[in-house]
Amino acid sequence: DVKVTQSSRYLVKRTGEKVFLECVQDMDHENMFWYRQDPGLGLRLIYFSYDVKMKEKGDIPEGYSVSREKKERFSLILESASTNQTSMYLCASRTDRTGNTIYFGEGSWLTVV
Amino acid sequence: GQQLNQSPQSMFIQEGEDVSMNCTSSSIFNTWLWYKQEPGEGPVLLIALYKAGELTSNGRLTAQFGITRKDSFLNISASIPSDVGIYFCAEYSGNTPLVFGKGTRLSVIA
Repeated sequence: DVKVTQSSRYLVKRTGEKVFLECVQDMDHENMFWYRQDPGLGLRLIYFSYDVKMKEKGDIPEGYSVSREKKERFSLILESASTNQTSMYLCASRTDRTGNTIYFGEGSWLTVV
Repeated sequence: GQQLNQSPQSMFIQEGEDVSMNCTSSSIFNTWLWYKQEPGEGPVLLIALYKAGELTSNGRLTAQFGITRKDSFLNISASIPSDVGIYFCAEYSGNTPLVFGKGTRLSVIA
């Protein structure tokens, strides 16, 4: 079974703090994704990466950056957290660009106070 | 980005009832996927559809890929309390990231 692991399930951070959300997958998948989920808005794509050291902006990249130094790890960075970034963050992976299915982690609940 | 219209937004049903939800798109895609997200968890794939007209079942769940390739529906028969959650449709075409609907929140009253 594919395993996508998000290291932090629940975080509380202060406004202005730098926040790292870590995601690791164990199936040698090339593609990795970060989504945020908010009530009524569904899943919105923040950033994605098709391979190591590659990154592309999704639909809502403002206020975020990402890092993909190793194939199995995709980190989401909030340079200066703000209260409107309070949300559920979901990491996902896919075999490659031809893969038809995407596998999700359990999610990270971030509260910015 | 691309938008999917998923309806209804929420449903409250009695245990044992059948459920139907659908998604429509303004564009043609090659793959429709249906996910379920239980409270506090990440979405899990239920059914994948790969060609127009395809009808696929997974236990009490049945999904169909619309003939026009712009819509899909998911039916749940004889609902039970553990069907509670948010159901998402998603589309995929070529080497693009998946596009998700906003979800249908299902509540089952025992």
